[in-house]
Amino acid sequence: EAQVTQNPRYLITVTGKKLTVTCSQNMNHEYMSWYRQDPGLGLRQIYYSMNVEVTDKGDVPEGYKVSRKEKRNFPLILESPSPNQTSLYFCASSLAQGEGHGYTFGSGTRLTVV
Amino acid sequence: GEDVEQSLFLSVREGDSSVINCTYTDSSSTYLYWYKQEPGAGLQLLTYIFSNMDMKQDQRLTVLLNKKDKHLSLRIADTQTGDSAIYFCAEHGANNLFFGTGTRLTVIP
Repeated sequence: EAQVTQNPRYLITVTGKKLTVTCSQNMNHEYMSWYRQDPGLGLRQIYYSMNVEVTDKGDVPEGYKVSRKEKRNFPLILESPSPNQTSLYFCASSLAQGEGHGYTFGSGTRLTVV
Repeated sequence: GEDVEQSLFLSVREGDSSVINCTYTDSSSTYLYWYKQEPGAGLQLLTYIFSNMDMKQDQRLTVLLNKKDKHLSLRIADTQTGDSAIYFCAEHGANNLFFGTGTRLTVIP
């Protein structure tokens, strides 16, 4: 089944403790992206990747890192999480970046930083 | 940057039609999208429309596009309880899909 898999689904952590949210897609998609969803703000892009070893900042990159060593994986790293990073995170992938290519989304990771 | 706006909430009775509205700013967008997010799930592409179209119909869904006013709407006919969800409109930016805030549709039995 074609899908984007995120892990974990739920995570509670403490301020400052490094964490990684994994994202993997099995569709050989070139483009991958991370979004965060907050009430009343919709989805905001954190980072995106056009292909292996090519990553770039989205609208809200502060406090996050990403890497794209393989085509299928695009982990999101929070080196020192803070409570304002409590949010619902989505990974998405697309065959290519550009209009006409729909995004496939993961099921989301709900992160709480205390 | 791009700005996509939607009202936050909509309630309708089961069997009525729902109309979810969206305004956007980037007139160069070729495609405009509607995504649906059910509780506890990710976003699923519901439908999309090319900018050279005024209307697209797909079963119970009708998308209307007014390019002059940069206004997009999604009409759901015979709304069912299973249609309760958050609906996002989206337009393409250079490297991104820009999403609206989402409209939470509640269907009252």
